[in-house]
Amino acid sequence: AQSVTQPDIHITVSEGASLELRCNYSYGATPYLFWYVQSPGQGLQLLLKYFSGDTLVQGIKGFEAEFKRSQSSFNLRKPSVHWSDAAEYFCAVGVPNQGGKLIFGQGTELSVKP
Amino acid sequence: DARVTQTPRHKVTEMGQEVTMRCQPILGHNTVFWYRQTMMQGLELLAYFRNRAPLDDSGMPKDRFSAEMPDATLATLKIQPSEPRDSAVYFCASGRDYEQYFGPGTRLTVT
Repeated sequence: AQSVTQPDIHITVSEGASLELRCNYSYGATPYLFWYVQSPGQGLQLLLKYFSGDTLVQGIKGFEAEFKRSQSSFNLRKPSVHWSDAAEYFCAVGVPNQGGKLIFGQGTELSVKP
Repeated sequence: DARVTQTPRHKVTEMGQEVTMRCQPILGHNTVFWYRQTMMQGLELLAYFRNRAPLDDSGMPKDRFSAEMPDATLATLKIQPSEPRDSAVYFCASGRDYEQYFGPGTRLTVT
């Protein structure tokens, strides 16, 4: 069965520092992969997605993610974090042949220090 | 800018009352999902539809929850009777081809 693991429950970075949020998935073939962000009191917003092709994908708000098949990972990165990036981040994998269903990780809460 | 809308945004009700939450998916999307989010359980998938047909509702307590899509512009989630443990934020999402777009949620408090 497909699963998604986000090893870090909470990460704190300084404003202006680089960021990497980890995501590992369990799936036998090339999955569909997603990152979502949730600000307090808001719904989840799609940051970026990977279906196939170039393994480095660009998203909104200056985020990017790299698919590494050998490591079953899809880590999210940003070169310079802004205070407004403080939020919860969810990695998700698409489940094939189940009508578009996604399996979400538990989320990583990002805090940004001034 | 097309968005998923949900009503009401907040609902406070007493235990035993019926609660109905509504969702208007983005026009042209063929899948609709209902999620529940709590601090303890995180994000849980309750039910979802494709082309208005229910695909899976195994995440819902069957005895009290029901989800329907009476037409392509409306999805509903009902709880009857409501219990304090149903207090949570309920999200609707619509999508195509695995991309899901979330609404702002309904924050439900059952006292």
